[in-house]
Amino acid sequence: QAQLVQSGAEVKKPGASVRVSCKASGYNFMSNGIHWVRRAPGQRLEWLGWINSASGKTQYSEKLQGSVTFTRDTSADTAYMEVSGLRSEDTAMYFCARSSSSYMHDAFDLWGQGTMVTVSS
Amino acid sequence: EIVLTQSPGTLSLSPGERATLSCRASQSVSSSYLAWYQQKPGQAPRLIMFSASSRANAIPDRFSGSGSGTDFTLTISRLEPEDFAVYYCQQFGSSPLTFGGGTKVEIK
Repeated sequence: QAQLVQSGAEVKKPGASVRVSCKASGYNFMSNGIHWVRRAPGQRLEWLGWINSASGKTQYSEKLQGSVTFTRDTSADTAYMEVSGLRSEDTAMYFCARSSSSYMHDAFDLWGQGTMVTVSS
Repeated sequence: EIVLTQSPGTLSLSPGERATLSCRASQSVSSSYLAWYQQKPGQAPRLIMFSASSRANAIPDRFSGSGSGTDFTLTISRLEPEDFAVYYCQQFGSSPLTFGGGTKVEIK
């Protein structure tokens, strides 16, 4: 069945970068976009942005524009999120989620298991 | 940014009872772009409703959604033990896509 499997937990120091992977299986990777979402402790789910898996076109939340980068490797059916200049406020569980179409404005019908990123000196 | 406010924050009910969850938007949302998710502890969210009133795959018909404009409702007609979880609404029609703060449905 379709699934998204994310890379494991990370602990980083302030100012460092982190890359989280999201490997798709069980469906045609290029048919659906991938969203990235996070939840910081005590906060609500926050949408970070989206990548079109076929074209590589991206859309970022204005709040994180410049500090987050989405890429994908179609040969590996994998999407990546890199966050640079990490701050303690970036400590959160990060999720990838499949858009139910190639379109950004669609519901998220499949989620990864989440990757905990902790930023601590 | 469209802010989604969910109420109540916590709903304490017994199995078999009816649950009514509310999601209010700070500005109008097309019903085509309103979804509900269920999340259990230690798990990722799961899509249960899209286009405000369409059930996602394998979601039982005790779940129903309604609403338009700024007011949306998720109803669980008769709570089963597996329904106790946190529920989030989401709008995905306007960037940034946003989520509500969640309603926890707990066992009374």
